Amino acid sequence: LAKTTQPISMDSYEGQEVNITCSHNNIATNDYITWYQQFPSQGPRFIIQGYKTKVTNEVASLFIPADRKSSTLSLPRVSLSDTAVYYCLVGDYGNNRLAFGKGNQVVVIP
Amino acid sequence: NAGVTQTPKFRVLKTGQSMTLLCAQDMNHEYMYWYRQDPGMGLRLIHYSVGEGTTAKGEVPDGYNVSRLKKQNFLLGLESAAPSQTSVYFCASRPTGESDEQFFGPGTRLTVL
Repeated sequence: LAKTTQPISMDSYEGQEVNITCSHNNIATNDYITWYQQFPSQGPRFIIQGYKTKVTNEVASLFIPADRKSSTLSLPRVSLSDTAVYYCLVGDYGNNRLAFGKGNQVVVIP
Repeated sequence: NAGVTQTPKFRVLKTGQSMTLLCAQDMNHEYMYWYRQDPGMGLRLIHYSVGEGTTAKGEVPDGYNVSRLKKQNFLLGLESAAPSQTSVYFCASRPTGESDEQFFGPGTRLTVL
């Protein structure tokens, strides 16, 4: 399983763009990069998935450099409700053994 | 569409007791998963299933058993509960296809005294 490294926590002000980084130096050729969000007392929720370059959906963007050894989740104009733990996962969706890690606690400040 | 539901929401057990956690999904998903989450930790995979009648071990399978007799249900059993199994248990499901989007249930908070 590819290991991921994320900052433990970060703060951001409401209305700012938040960039959350993840390192995955031993990513394999078939691995995808997936991000989940988890609020207290809830199950994680899928945010976005990508393989290379840039992926954008209605809630976030995912930037993946050419070497794929890291990725950045970008949340535009965060609100207080974006306070959550964000998990970066790396793996082949065919192997059903993705590892969540400890995640990155993001706190949005008024 | 109820999505993924888990029963019960809370449970307190004494050491040595047994219980079964039920996960049900109404999305016709092939894959189902059981995770546990301890305070300040991420989720760890206990067991998973790639289809009706199949099960496989995850990262932390010891002390747990599972069954997938029906496609929509995935049961997690604790035969002899231990305090180390105090945790929040999450079930998830996902369809086949080129995505790892897993759909999670609300969780079951289990305390073993």
